[in-house]
Amino acid sequence: DGGITQSPKYLFRKEGQNVTLSCEQNLNHDAMYWYRQDPGQGLRLIYYSQIVNDFQKGDIAEGYSVSREKKESFPLTVTSAQKNPTAFYLCASSLTSGSSYEQYFGPGTRLTVT
Amino acid sequence: AQSVAQPEDQVNVAEGNPLTVKCTYSVSGNPYLFWYVQYPNRGLQFLLKYITGDNLVKGSYGFEAEFNKSQTSFHLKKPSALVSDSALYFCAVSLYNTDKLIFGTGTRLQVFP
Repeated sequence: DGGITQSPKYLFRKEGQNVTLSCEQNLNHDAMYWYRQDPGQGLRLIYYSQIVNDFQKGDIAEGYSVSREKKESFPLTVTSAQKNPTAFYLCASSLTSGSSYEQYFGPGTRLTVT
Repeated sequence: AQSVAQPEDQVNVAEGNPLTVKCTYSVSGNPYLFWYVQYPNRGLQFLLKYITGDNLVKGSYGFEAEFNKSQTSFHLKKPSALVSDSALYFCAVSLYNTDKLIFGTGTRLQVFP
């Protein structure tokens, strides 16, 4: 997982509350990504950012928001509008957003909303 | 639309035997293909990729994968499995000049002693 940190590892929230997941990288990568992982469904892209102060929606952006104020940081907010927020969230980064570059993943945050 | 299929939810193999984890893809162009491994409650680790050139790609931990354009496959292989290889394996595809990786649903590899 080296170079990308996510915190916290486990997060518990009550329904109706917004929650922010942290992602920091020290790899000097330009591109960063957020994925959601559910059992049997693989990884689904929530948001990605190719450069500071710019980001694009992925396949399942509804109910989520992001910011990219610094190159090293790409926090994800799970809002109360997300209908089924309980999942394992993975942050990743790559050298650039070019398609031939592999992505490096953080250790993940497991969010449980009750 | 791009897609990746991993037809087996689980693969079981005895330690010391060769292993194969299957992946097929559907894209409308030249694909870039990746394999990742995930251990329980951890992030994904990059194993290997095919961009161009030799169809047999060697990666980390003794794994290799063969790109077969006619069969649109990119199967992951290892000549001799270890118990420590037991994990969840993901195949992924992207296209030139796109920003996204499309992941398969994953295959759980179980290596028995």
